[in-house]
Amino acid sequence: QKEVEQDPGPLSVPEGAIVSLNCTYSNSAFQYFMWYRQYSRKGPELLMYTYSSGNKEDGRFTAQVDKSSKYISLFIRDSQPSDSATYLCAMSAPNSGGGADGLTFGKGTHLIIQP
Amino acid sequence: DGGITQSPKYLFRKEGQNVTLSCEQNLNHDAMYWYRQDPGQGLRLIYYSQIVNDFQKGDIAEGYSVSREKKESFPLTVTSAQKNPTAFYLCASSQAPADWPQHFGDGTRLSIL
Repeated sequence: QKEVEQDPGPLSVPEGAIVSLNCTYSNSAFQYFMWYRQYSRKGPELLMYTYSSGNKEDGRFTAQVDKSSKYISLFIRDSQPSDSATYLCAMSAPNSGGGADGLTFGKGTHLIIQP
Repeated sequence: DGGITQSPKYLFRKEGQNVTLSCEQNLNHDAMYWYRQDPGQGLRLIYYSQIVNDFQKGDIAEGYSVSREKKESFPLTVTSAQKNPTAFYLCASSQAPADWPQHFGDGTRLSIL
């Protein structure tokens, strides 16, 4: 069963705070994990992607995957008002043909960074 | 610049009418996807294609049709059989294999007149 849980928020934090965004999932076959940022009336923009478990850092962003707990996180350090957006987690499992059959998305968390 | 172009940005459909949404990519990606986004429901997969002249149904394919005659193009037709077509439609593409991260266009908002 494809299911990804993500708190819709809104999550409101002051500028400069560390933000933690999370998703849980139930399908143990998921192996590819992504975070997207979506501004209003725009398409999602890829922020981070990881394969299997572990951490990945890119500037102010850190993605963390814990496959044993079926839990992924995105941390944003030194948050800025321009980080205000909806953050979507997404994940994918390989199909029997070796490819993938599309991403399964969380519903997104609306993040507000207060100046 | 490489990217995905969706057109039009806004589209209106009359009752009983079919409409076609355009998606073009110049990223040389093999795989292309169509998603529908509704408020509070996240993105749901309509159709995807991993190679020219081949495509598969996603989770909510009823009332939609696609074609993939060229690698760069993956148009979506919303048919009159789709009873609730008002939504934000997003096209995406990815390198082969299709489990690479997907990159999105800026969407088409479809409304009913």
